[in-house]
Amino acid sequence: DSGVTQTPKHLITATGQRVTLRCSPRSGDLSVYWYQQSLDQGLQFLIQYYNGEERAKGNILERFSAQQFPDLHSELNLSSLELGDSALYFCASSGGVAGNTEAFFGQGTRLTVV
Amino acid sequence: AQSVTQLGSHVSVSEGALVLLRCNYSSSVPPYLFWYVQYPNQGLQLLLKYTTGATLVKGINGFEAEFKKSETSFHLTKPSAHMSDAAEYFCAVSGGTGRRALTFGSGTRLQVQP
Repeated sequence: DSGVTQTPKHLITATGQRVTLRCSPRSGDLSVYWYQQSLDQGLQFLIQYYNGEERAKGNILERFSAQQFPDLHSELNLSSLELGDSALYFCASSGGVAGNTEAFFGQGTRLTVV
Repeated sequence: AQSVTQLGSHVSVSEGALVLLRCNYSSSVPPYLFWYVQYPNQGLQLLLKYTTGATLVKGINGFEAEFKKSETSFHLTKPSAHMSDAAEYFCAVSGGTGRRALTFGSGTRLQVQP
């Protein structure tokens, strides 16, 4: 158990809809990262939050957004969903922006867009 | 900019044989290097990491990796494969103060034959 909790584990929704994925980081970790894993794109970094503020952006679509709340949990919002958004979405957490602590990953949310 | 190349999307070894999974990286700053393992329907688990110092790093489950700057490589090895090692393995790089998101390779699926 990594200590990172993601909900829900599975999500099936229709094209055009909006969903919210939730992540609770390990106790004490300030950084949260979101990654997307798909067969054609592999594992891609989407966005990082540190202590409530956006810190780095990767290949995140404009239809996607995220936030980190005062209790440090994070949500990833995906809107106007397309079939190609079907993927496994991982959240990871770590202790800080810099330094050499590793990222711990949650079990992921498997999103299926039909 | 950073990138990771994993040579061989599939590797098959016999139980008890040497495991060698190859990883080459590119980084414009001193890299932090990681190997993660993913079992079916699970998240990513850290096997080992290199940040600074000793170039031969030991991880969990008998795995080790050697950082070779001159070859820009970070190959993962295990002297004797076990059936339970069958999984997908990802090499990843991060670097630069203030940004610790991971850039992943495309992964190598390890099969262990009895």
